[in-house]
Amino acid sequence: NAGVTQTPKFQVLKTGQSMTLQCAQDMNHNSMYWYRQDPGMGLRLIYYSASEGTTDKGEVPNGYNVSRLNKREFSLRLESAAPSQTSVYFCASSGTAGKLFFGSGTQLSVL
Amino acid sequence: TQLLEQSPQFLSIQEGENLTVYCNSSSVFSSLQWYRQEPGEGPVLLVTVVTGGEVKKLKRLTFQFGDARKDSSLHITAAQPGDTGLYLCAGAADSSYKLIFGSGTRLLVRP
Repeated sequence: NAGVTQTPKFQVLKTGQSMTLQCAQDMNHNSMYWYRQDPGMGLRLIYYSASEGTTDKGEVPNGYNVSRLNKREFSLRLESAAPSQTSVYFCASSGTAGKLFFGSGTQLSVL
Repeated sequence: TQLLEQSPQFLSIQEGENLTVYCNSSSVFSSLQWYRQEPGEGPVLLVTVVTGGEVKKLKRLTFQFGDARKDSSLHITAAQPGDTGLYLCAGAADSSYKLIFGSGTRLLVRP
């Protein structure tokens, strides 16, 4: 019953620190996504992976890197965190029907 | 750049009232999805509409896709407190399922 699992749920960083957000799905989906959600701005796509071994930039990729480790896992890395990266981050996956399944989010604060 | 504008941004109504949320764009979408998001959780898909003029019903929720596939609406009949949440529309320009999200409508249904 897991679906999409994200860790951690909360994180506080200092400016310049690095961290990796982990995401795993158990639905055998080909496509995986990372979004950020800011107040009044909906969800914005950071990176996506259409299949294992491929990644593409979304709307707001600057300051982020991703790794599609295998079919199940898609991680998001912040190399040098900035206050502008304070946000709620969501991982999602989808199969051939295009329906997105979201994780429960990571609330990140960069001080 | 494709944009989806949702209105209203906030809506506070009494239980039993009807309401309509709008999602508009100047761009054509191949499909449009509606999601509901509760605090601390990721969005959950409610419906996908793909044909211009299409109407779909989900219990007390009625979704309509505009004839030109540039806009959509969500109508809730006899709203209940359990309908409270953030409603997001999301459009796909092509079959890649890279979704563009609207900024959302936050609905509060008071008992």
